[in-house]
Amino acid sequence: GIQVEQSPPDLILQEGANSTLRCNFSDSVNNLQWFHQNPWGQLINLFYIPSGTKQNGRLSATTVATERYSLLYISSSQTTDSGVYFCAVEPQNSGYALNFGKGTSLLVTP
Amino acid sequence: DTGVSQDPRHKITKRGQNVTFRCDPISEHNRLYWYRQTLGQGPEFLTYFQNEAQLEKSRLLSDRFSAERPKGSFSTLEIQRTEQGDSAMYLCASSLGHLLAKNIQYFGAGTRLSVL
Repeated sequence: GIQVEQSPPDLILQEGANSTLRCNFSDSVNNLQWFHQNPWGQLINLFYIPSGTKQNGRLSATTVATERYSLLYISSSQTTDSGVYFCAVEPQNSGYALNFGKGTSLLVTP
Repeated sequence: DTGVSQDPRHKITKRGQNVTFRCDPISEHNRLYWYRQTLGQGPEFLTYFQNEAQLEKSRLLSDRFSAERPKGSFSTLEIQRTEQGDSAMYLCASSLGHLLAKNIQYFGAGTRLSVL
């Protein structure tokens, strides 16, 4: 099956710093979503981005489908950004299931 | 639009008991998915429905796991004869599921199962 690798696995930032999270995937995809999982376990949709670039406030994401990677940028980080960030992809040959990476655990300190 | 709703949020049970979880998808979403998440891992796909039809169930973890969506609205996931290894977060998601629609999945808050 498709492999999804996220890096770094853990990240500690001071409030106000910027960061880049990376997601590599091993096959062509129909769908790529970025999620933020809060401390209570809720998966919050950040971006649907199978290709191209999108921005939403302090967050932006870029997917280069031909090179099979996606990047999530967090600027001016806040303590509320803490949590686990997941990349999930839907392979072109499956059409339904999202395959998740292991996530990047982010801690933003005051 | 109230989002995906899951009940209960937490379940503690003894080994060998049966448990059932409920998921109410976003209204008008035709597809409904179940995932399981263990500590330190990303969610793992279990099964999905298009309306009332269960189109993929080969990734259910064992024959102790079953899911239904009888009227194409809410769904239940049942685990029979629970084992300690079943302890995990069980997540439900839904999406529009139309041919020309983006298949964006939205997740519920999950049911955390602890098997003693």
